[in-house]
Amino acid sequence: EAQVTQNPRYLITVTGKKLTVTCSQNMNHEYMSWYRQDPGLGLRQIYYSMNVEVTDKGDVPEGYKVSRKEKRNFPLILESPSPNQTSLYFCASSVRGNEQFFGPGTRLTVL
Amino acid sequence: AQTVTQSQPEMSVQEAETVTLSCTYDTSENNYYLFWYKQPPSRQMILVIRQEAYKQQNATENRFSVNFQKAAKSFSLKISDSQLGDTAMYFCAFMKHEFLNAGNMLTFGGGTRLMVKP
Repeated sequence: EAQVTQNPRYLITVTGKKLTVTCSQNMNHEYMSWYRQDPGLGLRQIYYSMNVEVTDKGDVPEGYKVSRKEKRNFPLILESPSPNQTSLYFCASSVRGNEQFFGPGTRLTVL
Repeated sequence: AQTVTQSQPEMSVQEAETVTLSCTYDTSENNYYLFWYKQPPSRQMILVIRQEAYKQQNATENRFSVNFQKAAKSFSLKISDSQLGDTAMYFCAFMKHEFLNAGNMLTFGGGTRLMVKP
């Protein structure tokens, strides 16, 4: 089954404690992105990757890091999480110019 | 920069009736794509319908259709014969043509929460 998976689905942590949210896709898509969803703002792109070892900032990259060492994986790293990063996070993958396929979402709470 | 506006934060409709969700966008580009995504309580983002800006014909997918007015920069979604399973948050999204969009980025509106009542 073609899909994008994310882990964990729910995470509660404290300010400053480094965390990683994993994302994996099995569709051999070259493009992968991370979005955050906040009430009234829709989804906003954090980072994207066009292929292995090629990443760039989206609209709201501050406080986040990513890496793309393999085509299928695109982890999101919060080195020092803060309460304003409490949000719902989505990973997505796509072929260029086509609709994006989203993962199930990760609900992150930073206390 | 592109912006997408959904002016109706919440709407409700009776089962089996028709409802229209509004979306307007602002762009200086001529080639782009527009999408409607559905987000049910499970939080999964599900593509409902896609429209290419160069196509004058409005896209249709079963009970879902759009009214695409390029000059007015309007892209509304019509849901016919509403069903209880249509209850969800609906997001309108804009994507520049791939040659102008290095990150394949989608720009989303703030969403419309639709409640279908029995």
